[in-house]
Amino acid sequence: GAGVSQSPSNKVTEKGKDVELRCDPISGHTALYWYRQSLGQGLEFLIYFQGNSAPDKSGLPSDRFSAERTGGSVSTLTIQRTQQEDSAVYLCASSLPGAHEQFFGPGTRLTVL
Amino acid sequence: GQSLEQPSEVTAVEGAIVQINCTYQTSGFYGLSWYQQHDGGAPTFLSYNALDGLEETGRFSSFLSRSDSYGYLLLQELQMKDSASYFCAVRGGATNKLIFGTGTLLAVQP
Repeated sequence: GAGVSQSPSNKVTEKGKDVELRCDPISGHTALYWYRQSLGQGLEFLIYFQGNSAPDKSGLPSDRFSAERTGGSVSTLTIQRTQQEDSAVYLCASSLPGAHEQFFGPGTRLTVL
Repeated sequence: GQSLEQPSEVTAVEGAIVQINCTYQTSGFYGLSWYQQHDGGAPTFLSYNALDGLEETGRFSSFLSRSDSYGYLLLQELQMKDSASYFCAVRGGATNKLIFGTGTLLAVQP
């Protein structure tokens, strides 16, 4: 595709439910990042993938958060037992290896009721 | 800890020049980036400075002083479409992960 895509664009869930957020990076971009943006705030780094491995998971806020990447392409961010404080926009970005420019997707707006 | 400080809001008029400052305190530093984000949109890359000095890209310029842990984004010939949030971000390590500031909301008035 032409850019990074994410799905769903919006997700409303009830507290305690699990959610899965998907990211399709730009073809050929081996680096993939997940960030979280709370209302009116900056972006908070969650996890970094190089290929299918995640050498930096330092931003995951708790063990309820996990992510995987398969085929060096699609990535899924899973949040288990969602809490209201998980409500935010989850953004995915990809880049060429070693490149400083990251290309962001439109994000998934997660609302936990 | 790691922090990047930016003004929360800046207002300017069309055609003017505006400077958005960023000071950072991070455990590692590999470069300073600037991203633009329109309301509800995806952040888009504007510029990157790894070394001290000024980088110019069209109407936008970015400056870095590593000794002062300081940088700024300069927007010239402001247009209404420049109304957006602007984030500075430090590349914090070999993984290229970005540590973002809290953003500056720029309002361009006619």
